[in-house]
Amino acid sequence: LAKTTQPISMDSYEGQEVNITCSHNNIATNDYITWYQQFPSQGPRFIIQGYKTKVTNEVASLFIPADRKSSTLSLPRVSLSDTAVYYCLVGPDDKIIFGKGTRLHILP
Amino acid sequence: EAGVAQSPRYKIIEKRQSVAFWCNPISGHATLYWYQQILGQGPKLLIQFQNNGVVDDSQLPKDRFSAERLKGVDSTLKIQPAKLEDSAVYLCASSLQGFSYNEQFFGPGTRLTVL
Repeated sequence: LAKTTQPISMDSYEGQEVNITCSHNNIATNDYITWYQQFPSQGPRFIIQGYKTKVTNEVASLFIPADRKSSTLSLPRVSLSDTAVYYCLVGPDDKIIFGKGTRLHILP
Repeated sequence: EAGVAQSPRYKIIEKRQSVAFWCNPISGHATLYWYQQILGQGPKLLIQFQNNGVVDDSQLPKDRFSAERLKGVDSTLKIQPAKLEDSAVYLCASSLQGFSYNEQFFGPGTRLTVL
């Protein structure tokens, strides 16, 4: 069972780049790394997914080192609206576990 | 494309009463999930359906919670009788397939308050 560890909370300022790291030491060969974002009073929303190296979309980038034991979600030039909880998931797996996530607070 | 629909959005009941939540997934999505999210925690998977069959209900408190997905489309989650600790947001999600790497689309949730 792949387990993830993330910082509980982070603060940053508008316009900064924010990097959230997730540790997953027991990741399996066929596991993908997926990040979700959750705003207050809403369900989680898929942000990005990757298997190795780097993935980029219109919202974020995901960096995965060669050993895949960690991953970093990078949010470029954040704004106040990026204040949310970010979850790192690893799978496929027989269990879908969100964990407590990282509470990101963007300051003006 | 219509998203995942849930109703009601809010529900307040007294302990020992029963309550039911409804979810209509995105059309064509074979997999449906019910999650419980307690304030300050991440969503916890209660049950996962693949079409109308149960894939995983290991974390569903079966003495009081039940769920069904008739005809492999919409689903209901019931709590009977409710306890104070059941106060939470109940989220429904759907995906094309049932692997955790498949993107899940979440509904807005139902906020349950048990008094």
